Amino acid sequence: GQQLNQSPQSMFIQEGEDVSMNCTSSSIFNTWLWYKQDPGEGPVLLIALYKAGELTSNGRLTAQFGITRKDSFLNISASIPSDVGIYFCAGRENAGNMLTFGGGTRLMVKP
Amino acid sequence: DGGITQSPKYLFRKEGQNVTLSCEQNLNHDAMYWYRQDPGQGLRLIYYSQIVNDFQKGDIAEGYSVSREKKESFPLTVTSAQKNPTAFYLCASSGHYLSSGANVLTFGAGSRLTVL
Repeated sequence: GQQLNQSPQSMFIQEGEDVSMNCTSSSIFNTWLWYKQDPGEGPVLLIALYKAGELTSNGRLTAQFGITRKDSFLNISASIPSDVGIYFCAGRENAGNMLTFGGGTRLMVKP
Repeated sequence: DGGITQSPKYLFRKEGQNVTLSCEQNLNHDAMYWYRQDPGQGLRLIYYSQIVNDFQKGDIAEGYSVSREKKESFPLTVTSAQKNPTAFYLCASSGHYLSSGANVLTFGAGSRLTVL
């Protein structure tokens, strides 16, 4: 079945630093999504990507749909304490396929 | 506001008891899903339903059961056959699986089940 490798598994950074995380898949995806999960809550959609090479921003967050269509990247600039949480990537091959989720990146920010 | 409501938020169960987690959505979504999340882990699919009166097993369906009698509702029963039921359970919904609306899942706030 599908596999999404998300890295790093966890990050502990200083407030103000930039953050990068990525996901790679074993096959080509037509959709990439990035979610954030606050502690004890459900994941919330941050950014959706639908086209190879697409670069989309949402405030301090920027995500890219890799050219090979087998990877995606999420960057967070100038991190703040409320960025703490788990970030999940998710991808979908085609219509009719289920979303596949990465294992998550746990972000911790030191004030 | 449209959204997904899960209840209860916290639930405690004795071993050997069945429990049912509620999930209701008012987004007019065709598809609904149940995921399980263990500490430090990703999301694992338990069951999903693309349409009313139909549902499919996910990757870890053993010990769980669902029903989809109404479009808005997709309750999950954790049965006594589930060997390790303590976990965080997430319900989600999306548009029809063949539509672009299926690309994005909307999640509920989750239900934490603890077996005593």
